[in-house]
Amino acid sequence: KAGVTQTPRYLIKTRGQQVTLSCSPISGHRSVSWYQQTPGQGLQFLFEYFSETQRNKGNFPGRFSGRQFSNSRSEMNVSTLELGDSALYLCASSSGTVGLTDTQYFGPGTRLTVL
Amino acid sequence: AQTVTQSQPEMSVQEAETVTLSCTYDTSESDYYLFWYKQPPSRQMILVIRQEAYKQQNATENRFSVNFQKAAKSFSLKISDSQLGDAAMYFCAYRKSSGDKLTFGTGTRLAVRP
Repeated sequence: KAGVTQTPRYLIKTRGQQVTLSCSPISGHRSVSWYQQTPGQGLQFLFEYFSETQRNKGNFPGRFSGRQFSNSRSEMNVSTLELGDSALYLCASSSGTVGLTDTQYFGPGTRLTVL
Repeated sequence: AQTVTQSQPEMSVQEAETVTLSCTYDTSESDYYLFWYKQPPSRQMILVIRQEAYKQQNATENRFSVNFQKAAKSFSLKISDSQLGDAAMYFCAYRKSSGDKLTFGTGTRLAVRP
């Protein structure tokens, strides 16, 4: 099976702009989770989508949003970019079935730099 | 809230030797999952090993094994016969249940000396 893919791999934006990141999960996986990784805050959970619905959400401002399509692909959007949004954004996919061991597999990440 | 603590920011091991990375966590749950992920310089997060809390037997994956002490809330990773390719950042992670988020520790950077 192909792994989790994320596009683009690298992105440079300026403050105030918005950005959209994409994640394609492993075939058959219905859950997609997003994490932000920074040197200062480490790995933090943004949100999780399952069957096109947001199932869990972390403590991030409303500028961070996401969605999931019927083919389980997910997009994450950040509006009004701030310097502090510079980070590696990781996407993880899993089957999403509650009650069973459900391991998250990660994509290679998108490195976002905000100037 | 659940927390995961990795008290060793950096570790070093000689090639072919054994090293143990420490992890402790705090939870009031009785059933949960624990993971070790490896993040090499490529930044791809790779699953190393996982442990279900209801299983008393420690998980093993080739050269990687864990020492899971549920009462002490400790979950250490042992790497045997260390290889140069094992050099990476290692993250311990907790998950309350399937469908829940992963909570990560701050990571341990492992260097392997040739």
